[in-house]
Amino acid sequence: AQKVTQAQTEISVVEKEDVTLDCVYETRDTTYYLFWYKQPPSGELVFLIRRNSFDEQNEISGRYSWNFQKSTSSFNFTITASQVVDSAVYFCALSGGDYSSASKIIFGSGTRLSIRP
Amino acid sequence: NAGVTQTPKFQVLKTGQSMTLQCAQDMNHEYMSWYRQDPGMGLRLIHYSVGAGITDQGEVPNGYNVSRSTTEDFPLRLLSAAPSQTSVYFCASSSTDFASVTGNTIYFGEGSWLTVV
Repeated sequence: AQKVTQAQTEISVVEKEDVTLDCVYETRDTTYYLFWYKQPPSGELVFLIRRNSFDEQNEISGRYSWNFQKSTSSFNFTITASQVVDSAVYFCALSGGDYSSASKIIFGSGTRLSIRP
Repeated sequence: NAGVTQTPKFQVLKTGQSMTLQCAQDMNHEYMSWYRQDPGMGLRLIHYSVGAGITDQGEVPNGYNVSRSTTEDFPLRLLSAAPSQTSVYFCASSSTDFASVTGNTIYFGEGSWLTVV
């Protein structure tokens, strides 16, 4: 069975600090996809990144970076120089890699990030 | 391009009533799914579909029915509403084009707030 664990329920940091959100996953699939989504206070779900299991290169997008390590089944998300606008709930998610299992995306319970001015 | 459209946005039901949450997407996506979001529980998959005429159960299917008669529509039916079904419901769709950068990335509707009293 697939499972996503986000052990950090809430994180609070002061603006401009760096912060890392942890994500650990479990799957028996050899091909799978990992995702991060952001849910700001307004409630919509915003796609941030998708990564397949064959691509372990780290990804950087502006102040955001992602570290994918298959050896530890982790897909961590770091925000550098955090800003108040980064305050949101962040979800890590996992799907299988074949035609059927790719449609079944399982989410972690989320990490609520608060950035204090 | 409307994306994923859910209706209604807000609904109050009495225990035992039935209702249907509507979902439509205009992106010609094969995958569609329904999630519910409860505080501290993240998003949990209710039902999903890999194409017209094909549906399957997710993590929490009890009390809900779905059908997929067209590619565009994926309604969620509450058969006999219970207070435990008070939640925010998200419809989502994704493509099967795994070769693209966003591949099976989920695109969410804006959510439907359901209260059962």
